[in-house]
Amino acid sequence: NAGVMQNPRHLVRRRGQEARLRCSPVKGHSHVYWYRQLPEEGLKFMVYLQKENIIDESGMPKERFSAEFPKEGPSILRIQQVVRGDSAAYFCASSRGQIENTGELFFGEGSRLTVL
Amino acid sequence: AQSVSQHNHHVILSEAASLELGCNYSYGGTVNLFWYVQYPGQHLQLLLKYFSGDPLVKGIKGFEAEFIKSKFSFNLRKPSVQWSDTAEYFCAVNAAAGNKLTFGGGTRVLVKP
Repeated sequence: NAGVMQNPRHLVRRRGQEARLRCSPVKGHSHVYWYRQLPEEGLKFMVYLQKENIIDESGMPKERFSAEFPKEGPSILRIQQVVRGDSAAYFCASSRGQIENTGELFFGEGSRLTVL
Repeated sequence: AQSVSQHNHHVILSEAASLELGCNYSYGGTVNLFWYVQYPGQHLQLLLKYFSGDPLVKGIKGFEAEFIKSKFSFNLRKPSVQWSDTAEYFCAVNAAAGNKLTFGGGTRVLVKP
């Protein structure tokens, strides 16, 4: 199921610039998750949002990173003043309800950020 | 906090060989367990999941996994792999009543034709 749409698929930024990654969940899904995959590492949880609310941001770096999921439109992961260490693949996933009830996340194809 | 470890980072095998990928988690309470697969150039997709009941779970494409509670393990198996099984496999855990999946580091499987 490739219903989760992420864009851009590839993004190149210079140090100090801003990166904005967008995620449109599967139609009807109101739960969105962002994960980051660093080279040669697994997926690390960043943030879990429901419409207009951040439910769990325990995996978000304290500075420069923010996420939103407005009432209308896609979820946005924003990285300000990017550094080389931010280079990674950022994956968005959605679900109809909470994982314990629905049992599955649907993933997008990821946005690959390269910081020069 | 829950964590997941996958023992092998890379596995290379020939077609028709049997595959077993190890997964162990650390969490003392009730868990839901998942295996996801990412084929080259594609998004992650669910292979199988365990919530309760029979600890031997059947998934898509001939995969199965066994939950052994005493060993905190959820190993993935396939009796006879095909070239098309070349992919990266991720084990994941959700603590019951939790709101996120915690993933292992992934295992890259290369099946030689």
